[in-house]
Amino acid sequence: DTAVSQTPKYLVTQMGNDKSIKCEQNLGHDTMYWYKQDSKKFLKIMFSYNNKELIINETVPNRFSPKSPDKAHLNLHINSLELGDSAVYFCASSLRTSNYGYTFGSGTRLTVV
Amino acid sequence: SQQGEEDPQALSIQEGENATMNCSYKTSINNLQWYRQNSGRGLVHLILIRSNEREKHSGRLRVTLDTSKKSSSLLITASRAADTASYFCAPLNSGNTPLVFGKGTRLSVIA
Repeated sequence: DTAVSQTPKYLVTQMGNDKSIKCEQNLGHDTMYWYKQDSKKFLKIMFSYNNKELIINETVPNRFSPKSPDKAHLNLHINSLELGDSAVYFCASSLRTSNYGYTFGSGTRLTVV
Repeated sequence: SQQGEEDPQALSIQEGENATMNCSYKTSINNLQWYRQNSGRGLVHLILIRSNEREKHSGRLRVTLDTSKKSSSLLITASRAADTASYFCAPLNSGNTPLVFGKGTRLSVIA
């Protein structure tokens, strides 16, 4: 059983399109995250979310929005895709009160053409 | 949370040698975590050390923490080719803020 699963693994789309990336965790964690890793391998936090609080990195364009239908899912919606959005997007989860660290998904490679 | 700064940026060693990576941070922490990322994969949590701990071991990994110097080190003993990866440290200020990662240390272990 995959602990944190993301779909799709690869996504190629044209500029201007709207797309979603799904993330699900089966660990019973209460907090989920989205990170963006650019071509230089720099990993940047985009969102942190649990059922009480959404923390948004203020540098993230409002074309990006997280949607959480329940505690086990945090999907990422991206509107009006731009070339600069091309990157690998990682979902992660954690239990806020624990000391076991984050569990990451395997990533979604988004290519905007 | 604050970002840790890993040093060196890149490290190349022979199989069987030890690898040491360092991490510095700026303000007080609750704990500090180390992660590994193999090429094309997600990060994997390696070890967490609390602010009141000075050293922690997990298999071939040894992590130290010096809160007076605001620094940590990760030692991998008897390295293997499979240890080739990028390693990231992540200092955590509190449980309510997400981890922030630096640029990492790229370790290459040559067989």
